[in-house]
Amino acid sequence: SQELEQSPQSLIVQEGKNLTINCTSSKTLYGLYWYKQKYGEGLIFLMMLQKGGEEKSHEKITAKLDEKKQQSSLHITASQPSHAGIYLCGGLRTGNQFYFGTGTSLTVIP
Amino acid sequence: NAGVTQTPKFQVLKTGQSMTLQCAQDMNHNSMYWYRQDPGMGLRLIYYSASEGTTDKGEVPNGYNVSRLNKREFSLRLESAAPSQTSVYFCAAKSSYNSPLHFGNGTRLTVT
Repeated sequence: SQELEQSPQSLIVQEGKNLTINCTSSKTLYGLYWYKQKYGEGLIFLMMLQKGGEEKSHEKITAKLDEKKQQSSLHITASQPSHAGIYLCGGLRTGNQFYFGTGTSLTVIP
Repeated sequence: NAGVTQTPKFQVLKTGQSMTLQCAQDMNHNSMYWYRQDPGMGLRLIYYSASEGTTDKGEVPNGYNVSRLNKREFSLRLESAAPSQTSVYFCAAKSSYNSPLHFGNGTRLTVT
């Protein structure tokens, strides 16, 4: 069973549009991590959220973690073709276990 | 500054053959992980090693074994490959409990 659920599974947007990807856990997380994967390549770390209510931004990407530390969102403002790829959320559970969501495939049309 | 290095990059096996996927990190990180990635399934944890000398099962350990040879190296072995093990395998490492994972570039394995 997948402990982290992401939605939507795939997203196609026009360049310049905003978009949001969601990640939901059935259990409280000790940390929530966002990664990006370009097709056929490894995963690149984007951001880490640890405190309930925390919000972080890097360039045009903003990630938030809810107060209960079970839901996170990743928001991209004014999307560009360089944002295309697969976005995955990862969660840290007890015992050093690190799980990932199912991923969201993002296509940005120029 | 290589980070996490996986070998080989590609491999084709016949059903029943065995092989070992190698992973080495030069970041002096304590924990290492093996994942497999399949379409629509995200990344699934196979095995992990929280520190040198320890290994634990993840979500999908059946058909695999691991060895944490030393702090740098964490290998994944398929004793008798099956077509269901066709996948992209990723190794990752992290330095402390709540630090992010750093990934290798993956090994694409096909079992025919």
